[in-house]
Amino acid sequence: QKEVEQDPGPLSVPEGAIVSLNCTYSNSAFQYFMWYRQYSRKGPELLMYTYSSGNKEDGRFTAQVDKSSKYISLFIRDSQPSDSATYLCAMSAINFNKFYFGSGTKLNVKP
Amino acid sequence: GAVVSQHPSRVICKSGTSVKIECRSLDFQATTMFWYRQFPKQSLMLMATSNEGSKATYEQGVEKDKFLINHASLTLSTLTVTSAHPEDSSFYICSARAGLVGGRGEQFFGPGTRLTVL
Repeated sequence: QKEVEQDPGPLSVPEGAIVSLNCTYSNSAFQYFMWYRQYSRKGPELLMYTYSSGNKEDGRFTAQVDKSSKYISLFIRDSQPSDSATYLCAMSAINFNKFYFGSGTKLNVKP
Repeated sequence: GAVVSQHPSRVICKSGTSVKIECRSLDFQATTMFWYRQFPKQSLMLMATSNEGSKATYEQGVEKDKFLINHASLTLSTLTVTSAHPEDSSFYICSARAGLVGGRGEQFFGPGTRLTVL
């Protein structure tokens, strides 16, 4: 079993839709949870960073962590064509020695 | 956010030659740098972790003698692919992490280097 599972998609939505991206994990030691956005042939860009359970909002993006279910989500409101990219979840234990990445979900927002 | 640069962005080389990729943290001191490899439509595969001034820690299955990593300063790490072969062709991405004071240990990624070995 992989440490982190993420649906690779692709996920195609119309402009303005609410997008939900998810990851599940198996290691209860994970405490820090991140979402990265990666455009084609570019390095990943940090979008959201959360510690332990709860919600965090930043503009159109909301990250949720449910440690009891080992499930994290990223919501994108009012999605735009410029949001079209691959979204990677990542997580680490408290020592940050290693990040564990999901396989990435490719999102396509159609104008 | 913090800025990490990589050079070159793209390199094409002949089989058997060595290629050096530089990773720099431009506006912060990176106590730890990570090197990843990414194949098309796949996630990041961690190759090694390097702390400034000490030897890199390689992931299982990554050849230390083939992928030489040097982290000589708090702002620079280099990855040298020695005696490159076509199967080494890939997208190589570095990331840098500042110190863990305050508990924030997120990694900031460089733009990546696309290596093509003919």
